[in-house]
Amino acid sequence: AQSVTQPDIHITVSEGASLELRCNYSYGATPYLFWYVQSPGQGLQLLLKYFSGDTLVQGIKGFEAEFKRSQSSFNLRKPSVHWSDAAEYFCAVAANQAGTALIFGKGTTLSVSS
Amino acid sequence: NAGVTQTPKFQVLKTGQSMTLQCAQDMNHEYMSWYRQDPGMGLRLIHYSVGAGITDQGEVPNGYNVSRSTTEDFPLRLLSAAPSQTSVYFCASRQPNTGELFFGEGSRLTVL
Repeated sequence: AQSVTQPDIHITVSEGASLELRCNYSYGATPYLFWYVQSPGQGLQLLLKYFSGDTLVQGIKGFEAEFKRSQSSFNLRKPSVHWSDAAEYFCAVAANQAGTALIFGKGTTLSVSS
Repeated sequence: NAGVTQTPKFQVLKTGQSMTLQCAQDMNHEYMSWYRQDPGMGLRLIHYSVGAGITDQGEVPNGYNVSRSTTEDFPLRLLSAAPSQTSVYFCASRQPNTGELFFGEGSRLTVL
């Protein structure tokens, strides 16, 4: 069965600094990988996804993520963080694009300091 | 464009009571699912459905029942509520071409 690990529970970065959120997955075949963001009191919104092809994927709000098969990782990055990026971020993995459950990591809370 | 609608948004139950969380989507998505979110635990899959008449268990199905009689609706039933079921519940449907999940706004349930 697939699983997802987000090693960092809470990260604080200064506004304007770069950001990297870590995600490691466990799955025997090529996974389908996702990053979602949740603002306080809200549902989750998709930031980006990887199915195949180019291992560097671009998402909304200036985020990008890189799939590294050798490291079983799918880390999320942003060159310059804005105060509005403070939220909880979830990495998720699925065994295929449709028809199978999506499994989430436990999340990383991002705080942005001024 | 309503998307995924969950009701109620808030509910307080006593131990042993039953209730149903409603979920409806207007995007004609075949795949729907229920998650619970607890502090430090992320989202855990309770049940999911790949189409009308088909349901399956997720990671934490005990204490919950689901049915899928129509494409639009996917209710979650708590037969005998327990304090351990205090949580925020999210319903989601999936766009088949992109795999993107669309979430409802959540239902906060407290069991006393």
